[in-house]
Amino acid sequence: GDSVTQMEGPVTLSEEAFLTINCTYTATGYPSLFWYVQYPGEGLQLLLKATKADDKGSNKGFEATYRKETTSFHLEKGSVQVSDSAVYFCALRENGGSQGNLIFGKGTKLSVKP
Amino acid sequence: EPEVTQTPSHQVTQMGQEVILRCVPISNHLYFYWYRQILGQKVEFLVSFYNNEISEKSEIFDDQFSVERPDGSNFTLKIRSTKLEDSAMYFCASSGTSGGETQYFGPGTRLLVL
Repeated sequence: GDSVTQMEGPVTLSEEAFLTINCTYTATGYPSLFWYVQYPGEGLQLLLKATKADDKGSNKGFEATYRKETTSFHLEKGSVQVSDSAVYFCALRENGGSQGNLIFGKGTKLSVKP
Repeated sequence: EPEVTQTPSHQVTQMGQEVILRCVPISNHLYFYWYRQILGQKVEFLVSFYNNEISEKSEIFDDQFSVERPDGSNFTLKIRSTKLEDSAMYFCASSGTSGGETQYFGPGTRLLVL
């Protein structure tokens, strides 16, 4: 079945460092891909998404490109801030037909130190 | 900004007891979901609900689970006879007028079964 694999955490970075969180997926069709973020004490919030190959999703300085050839959707940010400390979840949703339940990775905890 | 709310934030129960987790989705949304995350594991889809009936459910969602929209605002998840392995964070989500739209998540209910 469909699945998402993302890098294990926790990831600890200094402020202004470059961030990459790897995410790869397995899907039978052509899924939409998502990054959700969970700040402490809050729910999952959509960070960005891409619905087809070569699309780039971006938001709040974060970017991820849908790479069909490598089945990847890696999250990047050029300069992280302390306020980016959170848990990041990669997810996919199969397109076409169904109500579209999300399939998540395990989540990667990011801590950014001043 | 409208948001999904969940109550309670934490619940402790004895094995074999019934629990009801409550969610108030965003008011004009039509699709509702429950997910759960066992500590250290992936966020897993449980069930989706549309037009007053279940539209999809996972293998996890067995006869011990049920969902209901008892009125125009609440969406509940009932576990009839809790097991130790039901201990998890339970997330409610809703999406708008199409199953393909972004899902908005609540902050979760942490359930501990003793």
